[in-house]
Amino acid sequence: DVQLVQSGAEVKKPGESLRISCKGSGYSFTTYWISWVRQMPGKGLEWMGRIDPTDSYSNYSPSFQGHVTISADKSISTAYLQWSSLKASDTAMYYCATYAPSSTWYSFDYWGQGTLVTVSS
Amino acid sequence: QSVLTQPPSVSAAPGQKVTISCAGSSSNIGNTYVSWYQQLPGTAPKLLIYDNNKRPSGIPDRFSGSKSGTSATLGITGLQTGDEADYYCGTWDSSLSAVVFGGGTKLTVL
Repeated sequence: DVQLVQSGAEVKKPGESLRISCKGSGYSFTTYWISWVRQMPGKGLEWMGRIDPTDSYSNYSPSFQGHVTISADKSISTAYLQWSSLKASDTAMYYCATYAPSSTWYSFDYWGQGTLVTVSS
Repeated sequence: QSVLTQPPSVSAAPGQKVTISCAGSSSNIGNTYVSWYQQLPGTAPKLLIYDNNKRPSGIPDRFSGSKSGTSATLGITGLQTGDEADYYCGTWDSSLSAVVFGGGTKLTVL
């Protein structure tokens, strides 16, 4: 079975850096792009960007371009979402997601369990 | 302000039918496929519908999707209390070069 397992909850201070992870299993990790989705407290879903684990090519939503970095290490079937300087407004649940062979890449069949990031002084 | 517009809430009685609308434009719904997701409280979203009207394996046929022009609709029949959740539409927007979601609709089964 396809599984995406994310790293645990994080509590950080403003200005600190952070990298969270998403490990894929049960499928060929390089076959399907991984996307990251943000959900702020009590709010809706926002697509941040995606990465092709084959060559680590990534592209970002205009809303997130320059604020985060998406990367991947195909040798360990893991994708990452990274911040260099966190802000309080980065407090949110972050999900990784991917798609099934029968779907388009922007239709997300599989989701990680989510990583809660809390940024507070 | 979300690119795709959904009603904030809908409600219906158990056993009844409900529809949730998702309005977009020619740069998104009008030219590509729509997906629908269910998010139960405290859980990750779950794909209900993809490619406008297809159901992934394991999704009951009580859930259906349709698209007309720049709008899409999710239908749920035989409502159950377990269907109480937030529902989101999503698609690709060619103008933004981004996946976009609706603001979400909270379904209450009275």
